[in-house]
Amino acid sequence: NAGVTQTPKFQVLKTGQSMTLQCAQDMNHEYMSWYRQDPGMGLRLIHYSVGAGITDQGEVPNGYNVSRSTTEDFPLRLLSAAPSQTSVYFCASFEGYGYTFGSGTRLTVV
Amino acid sequence: GDSVTQMEGPVTLSEEAFLTINCTYTATGYPSLFWYVQYPGEGLQLLLKATKADDKGSNKGFEATYRKETTSFHLEKGSVQVSDSAVYFCALRERSDYKLSFGAGTTVTVRA
Repeated sequence: NAGVTQTPKFQVLKTGQSMTLQCAQDMNHEYMSWYRQDPGMGLRLIHYSVGAGITDQGEVPNGYNVSRSTTEDFPLRLLSAAPSQTSVYFCASFEGYGYTFGSGTRLTVV
Repeated sequence: GDSVTQMEGPVTLSEEAFLTINCTYTATGYPSLFWYVQYPGEGLQLLLKATKADDKGSNKGFEATYRKETTSFHLEKGSVQVSDSAVYFCALRERSDYKLSFGAGTTVTVRA
């Protein structure tokens, strides 16, 4: 099925560990983005990309890295996990008709 | 910068009750406005949208009208069902940008 696929769905990390959240889309969308969802704060933009090789920071980029080597993939890297990064992470892609969101990754940092 | 303010929840209703969720926005340009819905354990789905003043978006019995004079986009449904229990997000996107700005979300619980 066409759409945005995120892996893993759940993850528990220890403080200081690093990991990569995967995001892939098969709709050939140029624009992709990562959001984090926290209670009472809605979704906040972490990083986004307007095409392969182009990335930029969103509202809350600290502690996260991204890269966009292909149109399909947009991984999010946590460099050194902190408890403040406990959240639900959503990847999304955009084309003219609107956004498509992945099903999310629930990350807990202990 | 752009921002979206929506009424805080949680909101608890009985089946067949009327639902209103208020949403107001601040934007530098002339944005498109959206309502997204998140059912338990799932990602966000587009519920409805409006792209210009006085446009009415509608879907699944929900409606919202783009009011430029009051910078509002309130969501309404005349008779809710248990299956409408979800978190609802108001959002905007400037025409010149790809980024979505979200409100904090409103949790709605409908009881039978």
